[in-house]
Amino acid sequence: NAGVTQTPKFQVLKTGQSMTLQCAQDMNHNSMYWYRQDPGMGLRLIYYSASEGTTDKGEVPNGYNVSRLNKREFSLRLESAAPSQTSVYFCASSETIRLAGGYNEQFFGPGTRLTVL
Amino acid sequence: GNSVTQMEGPVTLSEEAFLTINCTYTATGYPSLFWYVQYPGEGLQLLLKATKADDKGSNKGFEATYRKETTSFHLEKGSVQVSDSAVYFCALSGPPTQGGSEKLVFGKGTKLTVNP
Repeated sequence: NAGVTQTPKFQVLKTGQSMTLQCAQDMNHNSMYWYRQDPGMGLRLIYYSASEGTTDKGEVPNGYNVSRLNKREFSLRLESAAPSQTSVYFCASSETIRLAGGYNEQFFGPGTRLTVL
Repeated sequence: GNSVTQMEGPVTLSEEAFLTINCTYTATGYPSLFWYVQYPGEGLQLLLKATKADDKGSNKGFEATYRKETTSFHLEKGSVQVSDSAVYFCALSGPPTQGGSEKLVFGKGTKLTVNP
C-alpha cells in the first residue's frame, strides 16, 4: 500500500497563475483533508471531505477550491496564486465510522512545497 | 474555540538526555489528544494518543498523560536518541463532524535536535 500520495512534490508559481495539487489514498478511507503548514503556525485545515461528493470549509479556505473526484482522490486548486499561499501543503485521510470513545487516525501524505513569487 | 499551546522551540539536547515538551489545550467537552511527529522531509505520523482523562499514551519510549485538571498533555522521553530529531506537534480532536470527519487542531510545533 502506498498510503497517501501527493503530486507534485515541489512547485514554483508566479503571482496570478493557477494550479491543482493532487492527492490520492489507497486505504479506502471516507474522509480526506487538506492542510497548510507555515513556519511558527503549525498545520491549519483548509478544506475537508467526509465522503465522495461532499466538501466543507476548514479554518483557512479563502483562495482555494477543492474537488472530491471519487473516494480515492481529493484535489486542491489555487485559481490565482498569491505570495501568501507560499507554504507546504499536506493531504490526509481517515476512516469515518468511530467506535465509542475511539478516534480515527489521520494518515498524512509527504507534502507539496509551493512557492509563489 | 478549541486551541493548543505548546512549548516554543527549538530544543537541543544531547543523546540520552531527558525530554519534556509541554502542551496545554483549551476545548469544550472532552477532546482526544495526540502527539504527531514530522521527520525531515516527511509528512506527519501519529506518535501517541489519549482519548479520555488520565489515559497515558505511549510509543517508541515516548509518553504523555491526559490531565484534565491542568488541561495538559506533556510529551516525555527518558533518554533521547539522535534518531528522535524531528518536529513534534501536539493536537486535539473534538467530536467528529456530522459526516464523521475528524477535525484536528494543531499546536505550532516544537523542533527537537538531538546531538551525539
